[in-house]
Amino acid sequence: QKEVEQDPGPLSVPEGAIVSLNCTYSNSAFQYFMWYRQYSRKGPELLMYTYSSGNKEDGRFTAQVDKSSKYISLFIRDSQPSDSATYLCAMISNAGNMLTFGGGTRLMVKP
Amino acid sequence: DSGVTQTPKHLITATGQRVTLRCSPRSGDLSVYWYQQSLDQGLQFLIQYYNGEERAKGNILERFSAQQFPDLHSELNLSSLELGDSALYFCASSASNQPQHFGDGTRLSIL
Repeated sequence: QKEVEQDPGPLSVPEGAIVSLNCTYSNSAFQYFMWYRQYSRKGPELLMYTYSSGNKEDGRFTAQVDKSSKYISLFIRDSQPSDSATYLCAMISNAGNMLTFGGGTRLMVKP
Repeated sequence: DSGVTQTPKHLITATGQRVTLRCSPRSGDLSVYWYQQSLDQGLQFLIQYYNGEERAKGNILERFSAQQFPDLHSELNLSSLELGDSALYFCASSASNQPQHFGDGTRLSIL
């Protein structure tokens, strides 16, 4: 079993929809949680960076962390075709600097 | 633009050969990380350098090595290449206790 599980999709939604992307993890040492967006032939781009359980909002994006359930989410409001990409969750423990990634979810937003 | 520069963008070579991938971190970032992205394994951590010193190692093969120079740029050396080494290789950099920012990677194709 992988340390971080993420539904690979693809997830196809109409423009304007609310998108929910999720990851579960098994290692309770993970303390910092990130979401990266990766377009084809590009590197992962940092979207959100959170530490504590709860919600963090940045524009159309909301990151949610539930450490008790070992579950994190990314919500995208008013989704746009330009949001079409692969979304990767990533985690890091307090002690280490190594990022552990989920496998990524491919999102397609149709006009 | 993340500020992390990787060269070359694409490298085509044959089995048994040796290649060097180069990374220039964001200005001021002392940590450099190398990751491998393949279709079956996803993004996997290889190695981290901090201010010229090796800081952490992942599942990096013995045929692979890296170093970070006094000007903080880093190189990843891959030798005795095998078909299975074909992948995207990403470099990331960060300041202390800050999230990692990724370059656009080097696509390595082994023929």
